[in-house]
Amino acid sequence: EDKVVQSPLSLVVHEGDTVTLNCSYEVTNFRSLLWYKQEKKAPTFLFMLTSSGIEKKSGRLSSILDKKELFSILNITATQTGDSAVYLCGQRGAGSYQLTFGKGTKLSVIP
Amino acid sequence: DGGITQSPKYLFRKEGQNVTLSCEQNLNHDAMYWYRQDPGQGLRLIYYSQIVNDFQKGDIAEGYSVSREKKESFPLTVTSAQKNPTAFYLCASHAKSGGNQPQHFGDGTRLSIL
Repeated sequence: EDKVVQSPLSLVVHEGDTVTLNCSYEVTNFRSLLWYKQEKKAPTFLFMLTSSGIEKKSGRLSSILDKKELFSILNITATQTGDSAVYLCGQRGAGSYQLTFGKGTKLSVIP
Repeated sequence: DGGITQSPKYLFRKEGQNVTLSCEQNLNHDAMYWYRQDPGQGLRLIYYSQIVNDFQKGDIAEGYSVSREKKESFPLTVTSAQKNPTAFYLCASHAKSGGNQPQHFGDGTRLSIL
């Protein structure tokens, strides 16, 4: 059975710190890996990764995929209190549109 | 504005009662999904539909039912057979054309037992 594991499950940092969130997956036919940010309600899409070694970047957030080792990381530099959220990682298998999600990482950024 | 609208935002269910959660999208998306979110559990797939008049069970379909009579609508019914319905329910959709498209989510419905 496909499985997506995120670590850590929760994390508390101070403003200005850099954080790395991890997502590992077990899948026989990989298609893509997606990252979402969830504050109070709807998860909002951050990145979709399909190829190894190619970094996706948006402002202070970046993400990269390692298809050989079956993991992805999400980096946030110079964290702000507005980065406080649950970050979800979801994996999509080949020939499928469904996403299998991990349990999420709850990030709290304190002033 | 295009988007996914879920209603109501909060819903209370009495014992033995069926309740229906609404999900409407005006994005012209083909595929729609229902997820359940419990604290510390991430998102778990209940049902999904790739096309009108067709849908498939997800990982936790027992106690739930859906219909897909129109492209823009995918209501979820939580039946009395679902013994632990208290959770946050999220609806999502995406376009199938163009290949690998991300899912987009509604704002969710929080369901509680009275």
